[in-house]
Amino acid sequence: DAGVIQSPRHEVTEMGQEVTLRCKPISGHDYLFWYRQTMMRGLELLIYFNNNVPIDDSGMPEDRFSAKMPNASFSTLKIQPSEPRDSAVYFCASSHRGRREKLFFGSGTQLSVL
Amino acid sequence: ELKVEQNPLFLSMQEGKNYTIYCNYSTTSDRLYWYRQDPGKSLESLFVLLSNGAVKQEGRLMASLDTKARLSTLHITAAVHDLSATYFCAVDRKGGDDKIIFGKGTRLHILP
Repeated sequence: DAGVIQSPRHEVTEMGQEVTLRCKPISGHDYLFWYRQTMMRGLELLIYFNNNVPIDDSGMPEDRFSAKMPNASFSTLKIQPSEPRDSAVYFCASSHRGRREKLFFGSGTQLSVL
Repeated sequence: ELKVEQNPLFLSMQEGKNYTIYCNYSTTSDRLYWYRQDPGKSLESLFVLLSNGAVKQEGRLMASLDTKARLSTLHITAAVHDLSATYFCAVDRKGGDDKIIFGKGTRLHILP
């Protein structure tokens, strides 16, 4: 298996622009998590999905953030409009929670908003 | 709300020394994970601890879980430079909402 695949690896954009981050989970996993990592706040859980349905988005910082999972093999995290304080590494992770498995992480997207 | 606290957050130590990283959490849990992250890289799973008293060992690292004390430890024996990394514990809340919450991480720097 190729593991969790995220794209792009790096994204540099200007304040006010729309940013879309993409994630392909491991086939057969029923949960997908989006985390954000910064030096100050560590790893924050933004949102997670079970069988493509958003379960808890209480970690999404504000309405500028949205996430979708249209099918079992694809999820997006969108920021519109982006702000410099959104600069961080965004990780996607998937798991087979029915088997209570650990999380498998993607390689992350390094986002810089200028 | 589930809180996960690690200490220390930063640790600089000499090669050959032993040390322990602590992970405390605030609510009932039956599953705890330890991850390693190298600079600029993703998170790699080290251990999954499934029950009270569980102990797992891999090389110079040993992890244990005390669910009654809500405490997990990651012990490093005779540290070597290659173990320099950031170590995270993460808690899977029992009977909860399937969230997995991470501690802030312990940045470990091992001096040659």
